[in-house]
Amino acid sequence: EVQLVESGGGLVQPGGSLRLSCAASGFTFSSYWMSWVRQAPGKGLEWVANIKQDGSEKYYVDSVKGRFTISRDNAKNSLYLQMNSLRAEDTAVYYCARDFTVTTGFDYWGQGTLVTVSS
Amino acid sequence: QSALTQPASVSGSPGQSITISCTGTSSDVGGYNYVSWYQQHPGKAPKLMIYDVSNRPSGVSNRFSGSKSGNTASLTISGLQAEDEADYYCSSYTSSSTLKVFGGGTKLTVL
Repeated sequence: EVQLVESGGGLVQPGGSLRLSCAASGFTFSSYWMSWVRQAPGKGLEWVANIKQDGSEKYYVDSVKGRFTISRDNAKNSLYLQMNSLRAEDTAVYYCARDFTVTTGFDYWGQGTLVTVSS
Repeated sequence: QSALTQPASVSGSPGQSITISCTGTSSDVGGYNYVSWYQQHPGKAPKLMIYDVSNRPSGVSNRFSGSKSGNTASLTISGLQAEDEADYYCSSYTSSSTLKVFGGGTKLTVL
């Protein structure tokens, strides 16, 4: 059974940093692109970033470029999102998701972890 | 403002069919057959319902179908059931640096 379990969310002040983790199991993690998708409270979904199987390619939504860094450790079956210079508008539930392929949809999602940016 | 445009809400009675539209541009929906659709119940993670415009993942009911014409993709749900009441999002690959974009979501109410 495919499982994606996020952790690392919490309350952080504006300008602060947070690192999210996603533990994957039930599939060959190193064979898939992986993404982070977020959802602000009461709002829609927003794709944040994704990373190629070997970590050699990474893409970001414009609003997080230069502040967020996606990475992975295939030996640990883990995906990460380092978030720096956090803003109030980054407040959201962050989902880890498996890319079905690099161009198509996300076929498995975690349960999400809440990040709240507030003073 | 979302990159893809969806109606805020649609409704239908049990047994009826409804269609949700998703309008983009030639840089996303119109340029590629990489539109996907997601169902999200309150407090739950999204679930993939359709990928690559019209393909259903294993386990998804054949009451759900997808299509595309020009820059607009559509999700049709036939034989509406109470459990279909949820938010629905479209997504597309895009040639912009963003790579993937979502629609703003559509709330489906089963009357």
